[in-house]
Amino acid sequence: QQQVKQSPQSLIVQKGGISIINCAYENTAFDYFPWYQQFPGKGPALLIAIRPDVSEKKEGRFTISFNKSAKQFSLHIMDSQPGDSATYFCAASSRSNDYKLSFGAGTTVTVRA
Amino acid sequence: NAGVTQTPKFQVLKTGQSMTLQCAQDMNHNSMYWYRQDPGMGLRLIYYSASEGTTDKGEVPNGYNVSRLNKREFSLRLESAAPSQTSVYFCASSRSVREKLFFGSGTQLSVL
Repeated sequence: QQQVKQSPQSLIVQKGGISIINCAYENTAFDYFPWYQQFPGKGPALLIAIRPDVSEKKEGRFTISFNKSAKQFSLHIMDSQPGDSATYFCAASSRSNDYKLSFGAGTTVTVRA
Repeated sequence: NAGVTQTPKFQVLKTGQSMTLQCAQDMNHNSMYWYRQDPGMGLRLIYYSASEGTTDKGEVPNGYNVSRLNKREFSLRLESAAPSQTSVYFCASSRSVREKLFFGSGTQLSVL
């Protein structure tokens, strides 16, 4: 079974709106939480990542919020643009598992102009 | 500026046929990976090579074999293809197992 549960499966947002994608995990050994962005016909690419010693990380319009006690983390895309339309994957890894990434199922984001 | 190059981009096989997916990276990375991507399943690790000369099983290794030919190249072989292996396959590399992955553009494989 997937070690990282991601929701929603898809979402549609208007240009300028906020997209929110949530992920939850059970393995408390996870200590690295990246988000990958994938455009159609392309491979995923690292978007932003966080470690559990901080509760939030922001890069431009993309923010990761991390709640260690709830074992949840989320990606917020502020001021969503049509160019943000892509599939987003959350992931997690730990030293105890040789840093192998466990990916969520993915969320397809569509930004309407 | 190629990054991670996968060949072929598309392939159709009949059940029982064999084939090898090729992957090469030009970033002098130590670690290389093979993932498969299926709808609703995300990316699942098939095999990885933490460094030249080593290979290890990932989450879904059954039906696959790999070869780390040298530091640049990491191939994935399907010995007897099955319809359940219909998927999009991605090769990735990283400087080390602790660092970010760089993905190729994928191979779309259909097994009939």
